[in-house]
Amino acid sequence: EVHLVESGGGLVQPGGSLRLSCAASGFTFSGYWMSWVRQAPGKGLEWVANTKDDGSEKYYVDSVKGRFTISRDNAKNSLYLQMNTLRVEDTAVYYCAREIPGGQVWLDYWGQGTLVTVSS
Amino acid sequence: SYDLSQPPSMSVSPGQTASIACSGDKLGNKNVCWYQQKPGQSPVMIIYQNDKRPSGIPERFSGCISANTATLTISGTQAVDEADYYCQTLDGKPAFGGGTKLTVL
Repeated sequence: EVHLVESGGGLVQPGGSLRLSCAASGFTFSGYWMSWVRQAPGKGLEWVANTKDDGSEKYYVDSVKGRFTISRDNAKNSLYLQMNTLRVEDTAVYYCAREIPGGQVWLDYWGQGTLVTVSS
Repeated sequence: SYDLSQPPSMSVSPGQTASIACSGDKLGNKNVCWYQQKPGQSPVMIIYQNDKRPSGIPERFSGCISANTATLTISGTQAVDEADYYCQTLDGKPAFGGGTKLTVL
């Protein structure tokens, strides 16, 4: 059974940094593109970033480019999101999600999410 | 960024059909996915590639697309279908609709 478990969320001051992790199990992690999606409190879903199965390609939403870095360690079945220069508007639940093969970024499995709160 | 528009909310009576629209410029030339999110839970994919259901998704959920609109249809709506529904497409980068809160009453 596919499991995705995020961790690393918490309270951070504006301008601070945080590193999220996503532990994957139940499937061949190295065979799938993976995404991070966030959801601000009471708001809708926003795609944040994704990475190719081997980590050689990475894409970001414009609002996080230059501040966030997605990475993965296929040997550890883990996905990461390094978040720097955090802003109040980055406050959200962050989900990691697996993409269906095909390049359309359809997300067939999601983790339970980890809450990031950026506040002074 | 690509704009996908959904009605913020809608209501349906149990047993009736709910149709949730998602509109975008030339959306019919793209592929659309739909997610269901219940309060306090993670999203669940219920339709991908416009009209395909993942395994385990009830047959009462269906999708279609034409011109500028994709539609999620829930036939014989049940109380358990009360949730937020999001459409998603790819226009260079993934884009989500704003979500539709479906109330079953």
